[in-house]
Amino acid sequence: NAGVMQNPRHLVRRRGQEARLRCSPMKGHSHVYWYRQLPEEGLKFMVYLQKENIIDESGMPKERFSAEFPKEGPSILRIQQVVRGDSAAYFCASSPTSGTSYEQYFGPGTRLTVT
Amino acid sequence: QKEVEQNSGPLSVPEGAIASLNCTYSDRGSQSFFWYRQYSGKSPELIMFIYSNGDKEDGRFTAQLNKASQYVSLLIRDSQPSDSATYLCAVRAGRSENFGKGTSLLVTP
Repeated sequence: NAGVMQNPRHLVRRRGQEARLRCSPMKGHSHVYWYRQLPEEGLKFMVYLQKENIIDESGMPKERFSAEFPKEGPSILRIQQVVRGDSAAYFCASSPTSGTSYEQYFGPGTRLTVT
Repeated sequence: QKEVEQNSGPLSVPEGAIASLNCTYSDRGSQSFFWYRQYSGKSPELIMFIYSNGDKEDGRFTAQLNKASQYVSLLIRDSQPSDSATYLCAVRAGRSENFGKGTSLLVTP
């Protein structure tokens, strides 16, 4: 049973380019969460999605960042016109359902480096 | 602002000892509490969750929750060098989890 998959594992972008990060949830999971972890910082929630719906994007920066989870295919976190401050590890997690008593399972992460 | 506070450490304990990791949170509406282990350069791995006041044991791990004091802890018995990692406390009050910055644990042989 494959776990949460993320690709690419490492991504290098020059300032001003676009970064696309992909996340495939565990089989049977329809809820996806994106987190960002800056060096020496904790995980920060960005966005929570279900298939074709953004449920909570309260942690997403207002500009340059967007996320989607289409009916078919992986969830995508898109960062436009990247800046050096976007360099971080981006983790995706999935769960089978929502509510207070569910557990999230994390993917291996994508390490984004902006040069 | 929903805060989750952890001592950054490092917490150093000798092999075989009990490691005690602590976490406090500010949102009284929090309902679910999680402990993750994160090795350097790796993703968080869920090791314990607790929803009710009291203790919950799973192998060498015990999670303790005191909602009145807004305090959750993780005890690791018979600590092993392989337990050396950063331990993240996460608290859920709604749809998403708020994470502490983590406590670095070092178990010395």
